[in-house]
Amino acid sequence: KNQVEQSPQSLIILEGKNCTLQCNYTVSPFSNLRWYKQDTGRGPVSLTIMTFSENTKSNGRYTATLDADTKQSSLHITASQLSDSASYICVVRRNTGNQFYFGTGTSLTVIP
Amino acid sequence: ETGVTQSPTHLIKTRGQQVTLRCSSQSGHNTVSWYQQALGQGPQFIFQYYREEENGRGNFPPRFSGLQFPNYSSELNVNALELDDSALYLCASSLDIGRANSPLHFGNGTRLTVT
Repeated sequence: KNQVEQSPQSLIILEGKNCTLQCNYTVSPFSNLRWYKQDTGRGPVSLTIMTFSENTKSNGRYTATLDADTKQSSLHITASQLSDSASYICVVRRNTGNQFYFGTGTSLTVIP
Repeated sequence: ETGVTQSPTHLIKTRGQQVTLRCSSQSGHNTVSWYQQALGQGPQFIFQYYREEENGRGNFPPRFSGLQFPNYSSELNVNALELDDSALYLCASSLDIGRANSPLHFGNGTRLTVT
Protein backbone atom coordinates (compact mmCIF):
# COMPACT_ATOMS: atom_id res chain seq x y z
CA LYS A 1 0.00 0.00 0.00
CA ASN A 2 1.29 3.45 -0.91
CA GLN A 3 1.67 5.45 2.29
CA VAL A 4 3.50 8.43 3.72
CA GLU A 5 4.00 8.66 7.47
CA GLN A 6 5.36 11.66 9.35
CA SER A 7 6.69 12.15 12.84
CA PRO A 8 6.34 13.71 15.23
CA GLN A 9 2.68 14.63 14.90
CA SER A 10 3.34 17.93 16.68
CA LEU A 11 6.34 19.79 18.01
CA ILE A 12 6.91 22.89 20.15
CA ILE A 13 10.31 24.59 20.11
CA LEU A 14 11.82 27.83 21.32
CA GLU A 15 12.58 30.58 18.85
CA GLY A 16 16.13 30.29 17.56
CA LYS A 17 16.39 26.55 18.11
CA ASN A 18 16.78 23.92 15.38
CA CYS A 19 14.44 21.00 14.72
CA THR A 20 14.15 17.98 12.45
CA LEU A 21 10.97 16.48 11.05
CA GLN A 22 10.79 12.92 9.73
CA CYS A 23 9.02 11.28 6.81
CA ASN A 24 8.87 7.57 5.91
CA TYR A 25 7.19 6.35 2.76
CA THR A 26 6.24 3.15 0.98
CA VAL A 27 5.15 4.75 -2.30
CA SER A 28 6.39 2.82 -5.30
CA PRO A 29 7.58 3.31 -7.95
CA PHE A 30 9.13 6.48 -6.60
CA SER A 31 9.36 9.68 -8.65
CA ASN A 32 10.16 12.47 -6.23
CA LEU A 33 9.63 13.68 -2.68
CA ARG A 34 8.46 17.14 -1.72
CA TRP A 35 8.15 19.12 1.48
CA TYR A 36 5.43 21.72 1.82
CA LYS A 37 4.67 24.33 4.47
CA GLN A 38 1.00 24.99 5.19
CA ASP A 39 -0.03 27.96 7.30
CA THR A 40 -3.41 27.73 9.01
CA GLY A 41 -6.22 28.44 6.57
CA ARG A 42 -3.89 28.62 3.58
CA GLY A 43 -2.82 26.30 0.79
CA PRO A 44 0.52 24.45 1.03
CA VAL A 45 3.64 26.17 -0.30
CA SER A 46 6.52 24.20 -1.81
CA LEU A 47 9.82 24.14 0.10
CA THR A 48 11.87 21.47 -1.69
CA ILE A 49 11.57 18.79 -4.38
CA MET A 50 14.04 15.89 -4.48
CA THR A 51 14.48 13.12 -7.00
CA PHE A 52 15.91 9.64 -6.48
CA SER A 53 19.49 10.81 -7.10
CA GLU A 54 19.43 13.76 -4.71
CA ASN A 55 20.47 13.33 -1.08
CA THR A 56 20.20 16.90 0.15
CA LYS A 57 18.48 20.07 -0.93
CA SER A 58 18.37 23.42 0.83
CA ASN A 59 16.02 26.37 0.68
CA GLY A 60 17.23 29.08 3.02
CA ARG A 61 16.96 27.80 6.58
CA TYR A 62 15.24 24.61 5.38
CA THR A 63 17.35 21.57 4.48
CA ALA A 64 15.77 18.34 3.28
CA THR A 65 17.52 14.98 3.06
CA LEU A 66 16.48 11.85 1.22
CA ASP A 67 17.61 8.25 1.62
CA ALA A 68 15.89 6.41 -1.22
CA ASP A 69 17.25 3.05 -0.05
CA THR A 70 15.54 3.22 3.34
CA LYS A 71 12.69 5.37 1.99
CA GLN A 72 13.19 8.07 4.57
CA SER A 73 13.40 11.84 4.40
CA SER A 74 13.94 14.57 6.92
CA LEU A 75 13.39 18.32 6.98
CA HIS A 76 15.78 20.29 9.16
CA ILE A 77 14.88 23.83 10.17
CA THR A 78 17.73 26.01 11.40
CA ALA A 79 17.43 28.98 13.75
CA SER A 80 13.65 28.77 13.92
CA GLN A 81 11.50 31.89 13.72
CA LEU A 82 7.97 32.56 14.94
CA SER A 83 6.83 32.58 11.31
CA ASP A 84 7.94 28.96 10.98
CA SER A 85 4.87 27.95 13.00
CA ALA A 86 2.85 25.89 10.51
CA SER A 87 2.11 22.36 9.38
CA TYR A 88 4.89 20.70 7.36
CA ILE A 89 3.71 18.10 4.90
CA CYS A 90 5.77 15.43 3.16
CA VAL A 91 4.50 14.48 -0.30
CA VAL A 92 5.67 11.63 -2.52
CA ARG A 93 4.93 11.46 -6.21
CA ARG A 94 4.44 8.02 -7.72
CA ASN A 95 6.12 7.38 -11.04
CA THR A 96 2.94 5.96 -12.57
CA GLY A 97 -0.66 7.13 -12.40
CA ASN A 98 0.20 10.81 -11.83
CA GLN A 99 -0.65 10.53 -8.15
CA PHE A 100 0.67 12.38 -5.15
CA TYR A 101 0.60 10.84 -1.67
CA PHE A 102 0.50 13.21 1.28
CA GLY A 103 1.52 12.65 4.87
CA THR A 104 -0.71 13.97 7.64
CA GLY A 105 1.85 16.64 8.48
CA THR A 106 3.85 17.75 11.50
CA SER A 107 2.40 20.73 13.33
CA LEU A 108 5.27 22.97 14.42
CA THR A 109 4.81 25.73 16.98
CA VAL A 110 7.66 28.15 17.62
CA ILE A 111 7.35 30.08 20.87
CA PRO A 112 9.26 33.19 21.95
CA GLU B 1 2.19 36.41 -12.40
CA THR B 2 -1.32 35.46 -11.24
CA GLY B 3 -1.46 32.75 -8.59
CA VAL B 4 -4.06 30.02 -8.11
CA THR B 5 -7.41 31.40 -7.00
CA GLN B 6 -10.35 29.41 -5.67
CA SER B 7 -13.97 30.37 -5.14
CA PRO B 8 -15.91 30.54 -2.99
CA THR B 9 -13.71 30.65 0.12
CA HIS B 10 -16.43 29.24 2.35
CA LEU B 11 -19.62 27.35 1.64
CA ILE B 12 -22.36 25.73 3.71
CA LYS B 13 -24.56 23.08 2.12
CA THR B 14 -27.17 20.60 3.30
CA ARG B 15 -26.77 16.83 3.04
CA GLY B 16 -28.01 15.58 -0.34
CA GLN B 17 -27.36 18.83 -2.17
CA GLN B 18 -24.87 19.38 -4.97
CA VAL B 19 -21.93 21.80 -4.98
CA THR B 20 -19.55 23.28 -7.56
CA LEU B 21 -16.16 24.63 -6.59
CA ARG B 22 -14.04 26.70 -8.95
CA CYS B 23 -10.33 27.13 -9.53
CA SER B 24 -8.32 29.45 -11.76
CA SER B 25 -4.89 28.04 -12.40
CA GLN B 26 -1.65 29.99 -12.37
CA SER B 27 -0.88 31.73 -15.64
CA GLY B 28 0.71 29.32 -18.12
CA HIS B 29 -0.12 26.15 -16.16
CA ASN B 30 -1.99 23.45 -18.06
CA THR B 31 -2.43 20.84 -15.32
CA VAL B 32 -4.86 21.10 -12.42
CA SER B 33 -5.36 18.71 -9.53
CA TRP B 34 -7.89 18.68 -6.69
CA TYR B 35 -7.47 17.55 -3.10
CA GLN B 36 -9.70 17.03 -0.08
CA GLN B 37 -8.21 17.93 3.29
CA ALA B 38 -10.14 16.93 6.39
CA LEU B 39 -9.41 18.78 9.60
CA GLY B 40 -6.04 17.73 11.04
CA GLN B 41 -5.24 15.50 8.07
CA GLY B 42 -3.08 15.75 4.99
CA PRO B 43 -4.65 16.39 1.60
CA GLN B 44 -6.09 13.41 -0.29
CA PHE B 45 -5.76 13.35 -4.08
CA ILE B 46 -9.15 13.45 -5.85
CA PHE B 47 -8.20 13.76 -9.53
CA GLN B 48 -6.05 15.60 -12.03
CA TYR B 49 -6.81 17.23 -15.38
CA TYR B 50 -4.39 17.86 -18.21
CA ARG B 51 -5.55 19.80 -21.25
CA GLU B 52 -9.23 19.19 -20.46
CA GLU B 53 -8.87 15.43 -19.94
CA GLU B 54 -8.91 13.58 -16.62
CA ASN B 55 -5.45 12.10 -16.18
CA GLY B 56 -5.34 10.38 -12.83
CA ARG B 57 -7.87 9.73 -10.09
CA GLY B 58 -7.67 8.88 -6.41
CA ASN B 59 -9.98 6.72 -4.36
CA PHE B 60 -13.09 8.91 -4.53
CA PRO B 61 -16.59 7.82 -5.66
CA PRO B 62 -18.08 8.90 -9.02
CA ARG B 63 -20.20 11.58 -7.34
CA PHE B 64 -16.94 13.59 -7.29
CA SER B 65 -16.50 14.84 -10.85
CA GLY B 66 -14.64 17.61 -12.55
CA LEU B 67 -14.05 19.69 -15.62
CA GLN B 68 -11.16 21.61 -17.08
CA PHE B 69 -11.85 24.41 -19.53
CA PRO B 70 -9.82 25.58 -22.55
CA ASN B 71 -8.32 28.38 -20.43
CA TYR B 72 -7.20 25.64 -17.97
CA SER B 73 -9.50 26.78 -15.18
CA SER B 74 -11.32 23.94 -13.47
CA GLU B 75 -14.41 22.93 -11.54
CA LEU B 76 -14.97 20.27 -8.91
CA ASN B 77 -18.54 19.01 -8.63
CA VAL B 78 -19.81 16.92 -5.75
CA ASN B 79 -23.29 15.37 -5.92
CA ALA B 80 -25.42 13.95 -3.11
CA LEU B 81 -23.36 15.62 -0.40
CA GLU B 82 -22.64 13.65 2.76
CA LEU B 83 -21.62 14.94 6.16
CA ASP B 84 -18.14 13.44 5.68
CA ASP B 85 -17.61 15.64 2.64
CA SER B 86 -17.05 18.56 5.02
CA ALA B 87 -13.42 19.54 4.40
CA LEU B 88 -11.05 22.04 2.86
CA TYR B 89 -10.90 21.50 -0.90
CA LEU B 90 -7.61 22.51 -2.45
CA CYS B 91 -6.80 23.10 -6.07
CA ALA B 92 -3.24 23.02 -7.39
CA SER B 93 -1.86 23.88 -10.80
CA SER B 94 1.41 22.89 -12.40
CA LEU B 95 3.15 23.19 -15.71
CA ASP B 96 3.09 20.24 -18.04
CA ILE B 97 2.16 16.85 -16.69
CA GLY B 98 5.29 15.37 -18.26
CA ARG B 99 7.60 17.35 -15.99
CA ALA B 100 7.67 15.13 -12.94
CA ASN B 101 9.53 17.71 -10.86
CA SER B 102 7.22 20.57 -11.68
CA PRO B 103 6.10 22.10 -8.37
CA LEU B 104 2.44 22.24 -7.40
CA HIS B 105 1.07 25.71 -6.79
CA PHE B 106 -1.90 25.59 -4.42
CA GLY B 107 -4.79 27.93 -3.93
CA ASN B 108 -6.00 28.73 -0.43
CA GLY B 109 -8.91 26.36 -0.73
CA THR B 110 -12.67 26.31 -0.31
CA ARG B 111 -13.94 25.38 3.15
CA LEU B 112 -17.08 23.25 2.63
CA THR B 113 -19.38 22.50 5.54
CA VAL B 114 -22.19 19.98 5.06
CA THR B 115 -24.98 20.06 7.65
